[in-house]
Amino acid sequence: EVQVLESGGGLVQPGGSLRLSCAASGFTFDTYAMSWVRQFTGQGLEWVSGISGSGGNTFYGDSVKGRFTISRDNSKNTMYLQMNSLRAEDTAIYYCAKKAVGKTVTDPYGLDVWGQGTTVTVSS
Amino acid sequence: DIQMTQSPSSLSASVGDRVTVTCRTSHYISNYLNWYQQKPGKAPKLLISAATSLESGAPSRFSGSGSGTDFTLTISSLQPEDFATYYCQQSYSTPLTFGGGTKVGIK
Repeated sequence: EVQVLESGGGLVQPGGSLRLSCAASGFTFDTYAMSWVRQFTGQGLEWVSGISGSGGNTFYGDSVKGRFTISRDNSKNTMYLQMNSLRAEDTAIYYCAKKAVGKTVTDPYGLDVWGQGTTVTVSS
Repeated sequence: DIQMTQSPSSLSASVGDRVTVTCRTSHYISNYLNWYQQKPGKAPKLLISAATSLESGAPSRFSGSGSGTDFTLTISSLQPEDFATYYCQQSYSTPLTFGGGTKVGIK
């Protein structure tokens, strides 16, 4: 079964750091781009970051650029999101998602496999 | 950044109704437009990729159309399991962006 599973969420103080992980299984991990998408409570979806299949190309949303770092270890079938300088407005459910087709973040295709999400709460 | 304008933000419809949701982008995106369905407490589910391509397993009552800057999601005959929130998303350029969502409720 094709699936992704997030972990690493929790409660952190403003200014703190967290590292999220996304473990993938059931597909050839390095042949697909991956993304992180977040959802604020009761609100819509915001794309956070994306990474190509090789890991050589990374992209970020404006609100996290310079604070978050995406990476992947294709030998471990795992993607990461290092979150630094966290703010209250980063509080959200963070989803890991697989690109439906191909190794690039930008192409006509959407995100076809999503995890159940991991909750990040930034509060003192 | 490419802005996504989705309308309406909510609608009420009855089982069997034809439902249309529209998405307009601030810049040309060819067919790089995807539609998702999300139910409360669940992750989004991809329904349509590349503006018109129905995902495997998605019911055939869902269809997508459009190209360039104007796109439409149509549900031909609304079923009880279709009451949910629908989002459009562009995958043409980063940052990828989502529409604000359309909540489809029961009339």
